[in-house]
Amino acid sequence: GESVGLHLPTLSVQEGDNSIINCAYSNSASDYFIWYKQESGKGPQFIIDIRSNMDKRQGQRVTVLLNKTVKHLSLQIAATQPGDSAVYFCAENFETGANNLFFGTGTRLTVIP
Amino acid sequence: ETGVTQTPRHLVMGMTNKKSLKCEQHLGHNAMYWYKQSAKKPLELMFVYNFKEQTENNSVPSRFSPECPNSSHLFLHLHTLQPEDSALYLCASSPPGQGGRETQYFGPGTRLLVL
Repeated sequence: GESVGLHLPTLSVQEGDNSIINCAYSNSASDYFIWYKQESGKGPQFIIDIRSNMDKRQGQRVTVLLNKTVKHLSLQIAATQPGDSAVYFCAENFETGANNLFFGTGTRLTVIP
Repeated sequence: ETGVTQTPRHLVMGMTNKKSLKCEQHLGHNAMYWYKQSAKKPLELMFVYNFKEQTENNSVPSRFSPECPNSSHLFLHLHTLQPEDSALYLCASSPPGQGGRETQYFGPGTRLLVL
């Protein structure tokens, strides 16, 4: 399954399928990006980050892709599991010398067993 | 567990009450943050402290008053709040680094309801 930007707030995928969550960020000066996962009743949990001098970074079952040309960020989750059900946020940082993150509205991922 | 704890986890208060939210981080970080998370809205940065000094106040109403006595503790004092202030208040911390590009680690939040 694939979401498009932040205009589609929900994404449903079958367990075992790959998920792609997209994020269109706002500032061309952004040079640091983070994906967070937030489960119900919990705070956001760091998943993976990427700096603007990279276009791809891989973690455990997750991959983040960065396309600076179109200001687009995506999170790919391989072999999606029920425990992946959560809201996923992308965040960007574009302020020089400051660590202020600006968050998107999030995408709710639901994994269907 | 991220190493960032928040108390209380839930709080109900009237508009005339005064209460405080507490955040503590056990990660040796030097920066701490308060965010507000309302339904269907992006996380809103409220305050930032670096080495106990406030470096950001994101146009937050004065009925919210932060306090950072040391790099491990952060408070948010609340007084005469409005019902629209009901939200999840999240604390985060980040380690020292260069250029301000450090990962922020969040606590579980305090769910606040203002009646």
